[in-house]
Amino acid sequence: GAVVSQHPSWVICKSGTSVKIECRSLDFQATTMFWYRQFPKQSLMLMATSNEGSKATYEQGVEKDKFLINHASLTLSTLTVTSAHPEDSSFYICSARLGGGTDTQYFGPGTRLTVL
Amino acid sequence: AQKVTQAQTEISVVEKEDVTLDCVYETRDTTYYLFWYKQPPSGELVFLIRRNSFDEQNEISGRYSWNFQKSTSSFNFTITASQVVDSAVYFCAPPVLYGNKLVFGAGTILRVKS
Repeated sequence: GAVVSQHPSWVICKSGTSVKIECRSLDFQATTMFWYRQFPKQSLMLMATSNEGSKATYEQGVEKDKFLINHASLTLSTLTVTSAHPEDSSFYICSARLGGGTDTQYFGPGTRLTVL
Repeated sequence: AQKVTQAQTEISVVEKEDVTLDCVYETRDTTYYLFWYKQPPSGELVFLIRRNSFDEQNEISGRYSWNFQKSTSSFNFTITASQVVDSAVYFCAPPVLYGNKLVFGAGTILRVKS
């Protein structure tokens, strides 16, 4: 149980285009999901907290107009990197909080974004 | 502020050795939760354990064990008879209140050689 999937697992795009990454909780409902990014040989950096049916809460320094987050259902959150640039190339990982008496976060397999 | 220190940046061991990853934390809260995650080379974070600060019993899960010492604010993780597949980055997350977001430090890179 507690499986989280991400799609796509990797994507290459041209500079200036937008890329959407999906995060799904497959066997549980997640009122809260989180988005992280990770640069090579660095730790995970929390970008935003996504709550179903409401606006995401962004961490300081994260541009909300550039990283659009939508949490339209209890099993799906999406992250759209708008007008991507090479510096946005990174490993994006989502997590979903299990709820129901435990606040454990389960992570997806990650999406590697390369912007040319 | 909640903080965690994983003093070991990188550890290398030979297969079948036991290895302990240290985690020392800081918090002003009396009730909190601690987590360990593993990130193998594939990149996915794997949940290992969640510990309530009220529960000071040590925990064993197969080759994994955790030693929680509230008095010294430590939550160390031991792998017994390490295997090559244990090679990963291990993160001890700073203590959080129930439902709060997780942030991560640098972690400890564990390399197990055959």
